Amino acid sequence: NAGVTQTPKFRILKIGQSMTLQCAQDMNHNYMYWYRQDPGMGLKLIYYSVGAGITDKGEVPNGYNVSRSTTEDFPLRLELAAPSQTSVYFCASSLRTGNTEAFFGQGTRLTVV
Amino acid sequence: DAKTTQPTSMDCAEGRAANLPCNHSTISGNEYVYWYRQIHSQGPQYIIHGLKNNETNEMASLIITEDRKSSTLILPHATLRDTAVYYCIVGTNFGNEKLTFGTGTRLTIIP
Repeated sequence: NAGVTQTPKFRILKIGQSMTLQCAQDMNHNYMYWYRQDPGMGLKLIYYSVGAGITDKGEVPNGYNVSRSTTEDFPLRLELAAPSQTSVYFCASSLRTGNTEAFFGQGTRLTVV
Repeated sequence: DAKTTQPTSMDCAEGRAANLPCNHSTISGNEYVYWYRQIHSQGPQYIIHGLKNNETNEMASLIITEDRKSSTLILPHATLRDTAVYYCIVGTNFGNEKLTFGTGTRLTIIP
């Protein structure tokens, strides 16, 4: 199993551009999450999904959109990139929401200039 | 979900046991204690979790006090590869926006 795979690993965007951060897992997990981590800080939940077709907002959803058309994929969309979105983005998945282990991808480092 | 308090940083000699404390005095009866670590800005890595009883796996041991208001993660024989930021998280499920990772404890293993 590859686990949780994120692409790209690095990206530089100009203000106002858009992009999609890809996340795929091959563990047949229903639950998937997107976090962001600003320099020197902890992780904050952006969006999560409890299954295909179901998504919900986390702590910091503004400026992002997600979709979950399949169990395996959970892309994160930035429509109008802003410097405040410069961060490292982590995708994660888990079998259940509690009493379980969450598996994280290796992250996408995004810089908006 | 309950908040946690961890020391900002700690050092431990290589080969010794590393004991990382976490306070979670407002923990509720159905909230688990999770420990993750993050090495060099990689994705967080699960270590261990527990509800009431002490837990042990191949990586670490988790000691939870009887009143559940604090816990200690023990790395029995620390190696240089254990240098990382360690996060103590308390909550019911990862879909809860309040189940967030704080700033953790930066553990440095000294040769």
